[in-house]
Amino acid sequence: GAVVSQHPSRVICKSGTSVKIECRSLDFQATTMFWYRQFPKQSLMLMATSNEGSKATYEQGVEKDKFLINHASLTLSTLTVTSAHPEDSSFYICSAPDITEEQYFGPGTRLTVT
Amino acid sequence: AQSVTQPDIHITVSEGASLELRCNYSYGATPYLFWYVQSPGQGLQLLLKYFSGDTLVQGIKGFEAEFKRSQSSFNLRKPSVHWSDAAEYFCAARSFTDKLIFGTGTRLQVFP
Repeated sequence: GAVVSQHPSRVICKSGTSVKIECRSLDFQATTMFWYRQFPKQSLMLMATSNEGSKATYEQGVEKDKFLINHASLTLSTLTVTSAHPEDSSFYICSAPDITEEQYFGPGTRLTVT
Repeated sequence: AQSVTQPDIHITVSEGASLELRCNYSYGATPYLFWYVQSPGQGLQLLLKYFSGDTLVQGIKGFEAEFKRSQSSFNLRKPSVHWSDAAEYFCAARSFTDKLIFGTGTRLQVFP
């Protein structure tokens, strides 16, 4: 099946700094990718939809200036958490649909802001 | 509002026992329904999905799910659980043109 990778798998950063998370579809192209946030023992919450060649679509309540999304190519989307604070610590997951619209999920990135 | 509910936060079963994980949805019309499994260090993996047709859906790893319109449910079942099935299970739904909405998940623990 299709594979979606994320890098890094874990990152620790200091408060006030920015961190970039990459999401790649390894063997298929994705004009759309999705970014989710998962809190401990909670469900996945959709943050935004990343669109290749155009602006991302953010869900209500998600700060677009804090969570910058760039869909640079048909296989790469990046999420940059700007001016990170401890409350941004979370598990971030991306997904990409293949041509049949089946979603494939990355393994996630654990962000810890100290 | 559209929602997916998984009433059981944590379930513990013995290896070899049968399993049923509950899922209820609230949508205006019958949505597409999914079950995913999440293991540590791995991405969510699709176990099975229901779009239409036969209400009993077979999936991977010996799992099946039954869609019951009258109960707005899509429960996941497995006749005999293996220790490797221990993981977090998520039920999800979406309408044709909308986003995936996930339930809160059920953590399955398997005792030898």
